[in-house]
Amino acid sequence: AQSVSQHNHHVILSEAASLELGCNYSYGGTVNLFWYVQYPGQHLQLLLKYFSGDPLVKGIKGFEAEFIKSKFSFNLRKPSVQWSDTAEYFCAFRNTGGFKTIFGAGTRLFVKA
Amino acid sequence: NAGVTQTPKFQVLKTGQSMTLQCAQDMNHNSMYWYRQDPGMGLRLIYYSASEGTTDKGEVPNGYNVSRLNKREFSLRLESAAPSQTSVYFCASSVSREGQETQYFGPGTRLLVL
Repeated sequence: AQSVSQHNHHVILSEAASLELGCNYSYGGTVNLFWYVQYPGQHLQLLLKYFSGDPLVKGIKGFEAEFIKSKFSFNLRKPSVQWSDTAEYFCAFRNTGGFKTIFGAGTRLFVKA
Repeated sequence: NAGVTQTPKFQVLKTGQSMTLQCAQDMNHNSMYWYRQDPGMGLRLIYYSASEGTTDKGEVPNGYNVSRLNKREFSLRLESAAPSQTSVYFCASSVSREGQETQYFGPGTRLLVL
């Protein structure tokens, strides 16, 4: 079955620390990959996406993610987090021949000021 | 553009009551979706509509029905609410260009079933 695994359910960091959130998907074919962010009390917003081309994708607010096909991974990174990055982050993928987007369970990030 | 809008924002129901969650988008998107979000489980697809006039079941359709009223509107109905349907419900819409599809989400409806 197609699924997304996010390695950490909760992450606590201090401001200026570096962030890496793990994401692995299970599907053998071509995929589109996404990271969404949900700030407290708000709806999901697209952070970045990968469709094709350069596997290193840059998104909003200094976030980036790297698609490593051989590892079925799409980890999210940010060199220096801010308190305002406190949110829940969801990794998702869609196989290019299908119609449904599969979401991971989410990682709650708390950044201490 | 308002994007994707949902009503109501909050709702409390008693077991057995019915209600309809409304969703509308003004981006001229073909596809629309209903998800539920539960702690530790991410988003799970309830129903989707690939285009006006079509609807299909997702991962967790039991206890729900949908109507794609027109291209803009996609409603979700709970005929007889159960406590297990306590959740946050998100509507989304998307358009696909050359195989590339991105979903845009509404603000959500928080539903409590007592």
